[in-house]
Amino acid sequence: SYVLAQAPSVSVAPGKTARITCGENNIGSKTVHWYQQKPGQAPVLVIYYDSDRPSGIPERFSGSNSGNTATLTISRVEAGDEADYYCQVWDTTNEHAVFGGGTKLTVL
Amino acid sequence: QVQLVQSGPEVKKPGASVKVSCKASGYTFTSYGISWVRQAPGQGLEWMGWITAFNGHSKYAQKFQGRITMTTDTSTSTVDMELRSLKSDDTAVYYCARGSGGGPRGIDFWGQGTLVTVSS
Repeated sequence: SYVLAQAPSVSVAPGKTARITCGENNIGSKTVHWYQQKPGQAPVLVIYYDSDRPSGIPERFSGSNSGNTATLTISRVEAGDEADYYCQVWDTTNEHAVFGGGTKLTVL
Repeated sequence: QVQLVQSGPEVKKPGASVKVSCKASGYTFTSYGISWVRQAPGQGLEWMGWITAFNGHSKYAQKFQGRITMTTDTSTSTVDMELRSLKSDDTAVYYCARGSGGGPRGIDFWGQGTLVTVSS
């Protein structure tokens, strides 16, 4: 199986905007989901269907997907946003889920 | 509220098998599938497979074909995952989660995780 391309780390100052990308050829034709995982905790779905937010996820979290890149954007970053973020798509050929390698977001 | 509660930590020797259980509550069990995702220490998420709760149809990642079995019990709203012929690199936290990842709503609720340690 393959792994979606994510930068290993992203750093951002509090109050600024963080952009975490997920790359794959023609990912814009697929549905992308995003998960947040804090140390020692289970992952939490923060964006589904490219850009929808589950109940309870702040509006500061948004998603987009076009061409070869999907992006998770976190506005007005807070210290509590520090976590690993994973993108995920469905491989229709093999009928299985594929995760990105994860991006560690550090809040400076 | 949706809850997925997993069985406790396990320590196994190489070559042994492990079975991890996942009990669902707070929703109609047969309306969703359950995925299993694992995470080795310091590593990322790895999807292992999923099972539909209403009829037990399963799909496994090729990497685990032949040594993994997922089963469902609708009477207790429980899904079990058995992994056989364990190796040291199977040491990981194993998560059950609602959804396959193939639908529009992603994998939307996760269990607390079960640490499986494989060591001689």
